[in-house]
Amino acid sequence: GAGVSQTPSNKVTEKGKYVELRCDPISGHTALYWYRQSLGQGPEFLIYFQGTGAADDSGLPNDRFFAVRPEGSVSTLKIQRTERGDSAVYLCASSLLPADTQYFGPGTRLTVL
Amino acid sequence: EDQVTQSPEALRLQEGESSSLNCSYTVSGLRGLFWYRQDPGKGPEFLFTLYSAGEEKEKERLKATLTKKESFLHITAPKPEDSATYLCAVQAYYGGSQGNLIFGKGTKLSVKP
Repeated sequence: GAGVSQTPSNKVTEKGKYVELRCDPISGHTALYWYRQSLGQGPEFLIYFQGTGAADDSGLPNDRFFAVRPEGSVSTLKIQRTERGDSAVYLCASSLLPADTQYFGPGTRLTVL
Repeated sequence: EDQVTQSPEALRLQEGESSSLNCSYTVSGLRGLFWYRQDPGKGPEFLFTLYSAGEEKEKERLKATLTKKESFLHITAPKPEDSATYLCAVQAYYGGSQGNLIFGKGTKLSVKP
């Protein structure tokens, strides 16, 4: 079946702009996670959704970052007033139930000029 | 603080030269330990989950083992197509944990023909 998909695959923006990154999880998966991966590092947790609600947003670096999952499926990660330090690969993962195996999408490479 | 350390950072092998990758962890209650493979420009691909000390899992040339403090990924007679970054992650149990993964930085494996 279809895996996790993310769009766009690449996003280049200018400092101070607003961006939205989209994640389509595996159909039927209730849990959805966002991670951020910098060059040479492992993924770092940002936020977790169980259904429509953000169950844990403790990994969001500051209030410029926000995510939604209004219908319990597709999720959007929103970044306001982007900074060069936000440049990274943003990964989305989903699992059937919380704490089950997480399956990752291909990521969105964000570059802030 | 929950932490994952992987070694070595990089490993170069000749085709057929067996070796092991190490993942040491500290976590307040281990729910599960996960191994992923990541190819350049792609998201992590799930390999194994280990839940308790003494557990072993195998898949083709890969074998993962788990103790109370570390996990090993053994690669037997590797082929060039095994070249990738191997990521280790732990999932902590806090009694109703959200299940987010804590990753190490990865081991970059290169297998030369």
